[in-house]
Amino acid sequence: NAGVMQNPRHLVRRRGQEARLRCSPMKGHSHVYWYRQLPEEGLKFMVYLQKENIIDESGMPKERFSAEFPKEGPSILRIQQVVRGDSAAYFCASSPVITSGHYGYTFGSGTRLTVV
Amino acid sequence: DAKTTQPPSMDCAEGRAANLPCNHSTISGNEYVYWYRQIHSQGPQYIIHGLKNNETNEMASLIITEDRKSSTLILPHATLRDTAVYYCIASNSGGGADGLTFGKGTHLIIQP
Repeated sequence: NAGVMQNPRHLVRRRGQEARLRCSPMKGHSHVYWYRQLPEEGLKFMVYLQKENIIDESGMPKERFSAEFPKEGPSILRIQQVVRGDSAAYFCASSPVITSGHYGYTFGSGTRLTVV
Repeated sequence: DAKTTQPPSMDCAEGRAANLPCNHSTISGNEYVYWYRQIHSQGPQYIIHGLKNNETNEMASLIITEDRKSSTLILPHATLRDTAVYYCIASNSGGGADGLTFGKGTHLIIQP
């Protein structure tokens, strides 16, 4: 049972380019969360998605960032016109369909984005 | 999510029990206490969570005070691989309603 798969593990982009980060949730999980961790800082929630729906994007920067979780395929976090301040580790987490109770999220190994 | 307070760092000898404290004095009645850890350069790993009662699993034990204003994560026999940043989170979002709020955590260093 594969865990949460993120790719690429490392991504280097020049300023102004686009970055696409992919996340495949655990099998059977239909909820995806994206977090960002800036150097020497804690994780910050960005966005929560279910299949074909954005549920909560309160942590997403208003410009240049977008996320999707299509019916088929992985969730994509897209950053347009990257700047040096976007350099960070981006983590994806997934959880199963909510029925009742509470449980922990399963995180992927992250994508380290470096903007040069 | 309620605010949590943790010591920035702790040391523990290998083989001993590591006791990590967390204060969450403003926790509300429907908020759970979650613990995650992050080993260097890896994604966070879920450890345990609880509401009122003490909890134990294969990784750790969670002791929550009766007034729920603080808790302690116990790693019974710490190994070098337990060196990590440990995050205590008070949240009602475990059902996936929204994201968790991670603070700065406690950097636990296991000494050989």
